[in-house]
Amino acid sequence: DAGITQSPRHKVTETGTPVTLRCHQTENHRYMYWYRQDPGHGLRLIHYSYGVKDTDKGEVSDGYSVSRSKTEDFLLTLESATSSQTSVYFCAISESPGTATALNTEAFFGQGTRLTVV
Amino acid sequence: SQQGEEDPQALSIQEGENATMNCSYKTSINNLQWYRQNSGRGLVHLILIRSNEREKHSGRLRVTLDTSKKSSSLLITASRAADTASYFCATLMDTGRRALTFGSGTRLQVQP
Repeated sequence: DAGITQSPRHKVTETGTPVTLRCHQTENHRYMYWYRQDPGHGLRLIHYSYGVKDTDKGEVSDGYSVSRSKTEDFLLTLESATSSQTSVYFCAISESPGTATALNTEAFFGQGTRLTVV
Repeated sequence: SQQGEEDPQALSIQEGENATMNCSYKTSINNLQWYRQNSGRGLVHLILIRSNEREKHSGRLRVTLDTSKKSSSLLITASRAADTASYFCATLMDTGRRALTFGSGTRLQVQP
C-alpha cells in the first residue's frame, strides 16, 4: 500500500469529543490528502497539504483541522465530533521525490479509518 | 457538487463480457484518472489520461477522453470475477489546486 499507514483503523467516539486521525507515509511524497467517503458521495476532499506546515481546505473542511509538522505525518482533527462526521476517512499521497510536478502523478491511498460518532 | 459523475451507478455482467463505465465532469481538467476500490479497502490507481490525449490502454483496460463533451469512459474487456469492485473517476482540475475530485463511482459485479 505504497507505505501509507492510517491509525486508528476503527474508532467509536461520543458526540462532542475531539478526535485525531493520523496518516503516516514512508515514501517522502510531497502532497498528502484527507478524504471522507460516504455512500452516494464518492470521496470528498477535506484538507490537503503541499508541504510541511503548508495546508489548504477542501470542499468539506468545516469542523475539521489538519497539521503537518513533518513530511511523513498528516493529522486530521475533528474538533468536536458530530454524528454527521461518521464516515470512512482516507489518507492519500502523491508526487514522489524528483517529480517535477503533481500534475500528472497518481495518488496512493491508505486503507482507511472507519469512524463512528455516537 | 461532484465534479465527476459516473454512469451507471451499478453494473452486473457475466464473466467474459465487457464492462463499460462512463464519467462526466463539469470544468476544465488537466488529467482524468480511474481508480478501483475493493470492498473495505483503499483505492488503487488504474490509469491516467492527460487532457491532450484521447485514448489510452493498459492491459484489459481502455480509457477514452472527450474534452469537448467533458466525458470519459472506462472499458474492461473480458471481465473476470476478480474485477468485481467499485470504480471511480477522478479529475485534476485546471485551477492550480493539486487535489483530485472524485465522482460517486460505479459498482461492478462480475458473475462467475
